Amino acid sequence: EAQVTQNPRYLITVTGKKLTVTCSQNMNHEYMSWYRQDPGLGLRQIYYSMNVEVTDKGDVPEGYKVSRKEKRNFPLILESPSPNQTSLYFCASSFDRGGSNTGELFFGEGSRLTVL
Amino acid sequence: GDSVTQMEGPVTLSEEAFLTINCTYTATGYPSLFWYVQYPGEGLQLLLKATKADDKGSNKGFEATYRKETTSFHLEKGSVQVSDSAVYFCALGLGNNRLAFGKGNQVVVIP
Repeated sequence: EAQVTQNPRYLITVTGKKLTVTCSQNMNHEYMSWYRQDPGLGLRQIYYSMNVEVTDKGDVPEGYKVSRKEKRNFPLILESPSPNQTSLYFCASSFDRGGSNTGELFFGEGSRLTVL
Repeated sequence: GDSVTQMEGPVTLSEEAFLTINCTYTATGYPSLFWYVQYPGEGLQLLLKATKADDKGSNKGFEATYRKETTSFHLEKGSVQVSDSAVYFCALGLGNNRLAFGKGNQVVVIP
């Protein structure tokens, strides 16, 4: 089954404790991206990757890191989480190479993160 | 910059009622436009899209028409079901697979 898989789905952590949210897709998609969803703000893009070893900042990259060492995986790293990073996080991928602008993204089920 | 604006507030309506969710956009050029739906506890999924002016996207009984003259892409469904209860997001293509999302509208359909 074609899917985007995120882990963990739920996490409660404390300020400053490094964590990684993994994202894996089995559709051989080149494009992957991370979003956060907050009440009243909709979805905001954190980082995206057009291909292996190519990553770029989105609209709200502060406090986050990503890596794209393999095509299928795109982990989101919070080196020193803070309470304002409490949010619902979504990973997404697309088969388009970029520039074609079709915008058909496939989303994971989300990871709800709480930072105390 | 390019952006979309959705009508404020949740939408509550009875089963078989007509649904409209407004979406307007601001953009240079002619971007693709999208509606995504998020069912409870799930990620977003593409509902429909339109890539140029006057295009009509449709899926699962939902429709939206790309109106350049009014810079709008309103979502409509003639007869909603309880299973249509979800959050609906309008989005605009920024190029390179990037999307600008609206804030979303919670739709609650009452039996």
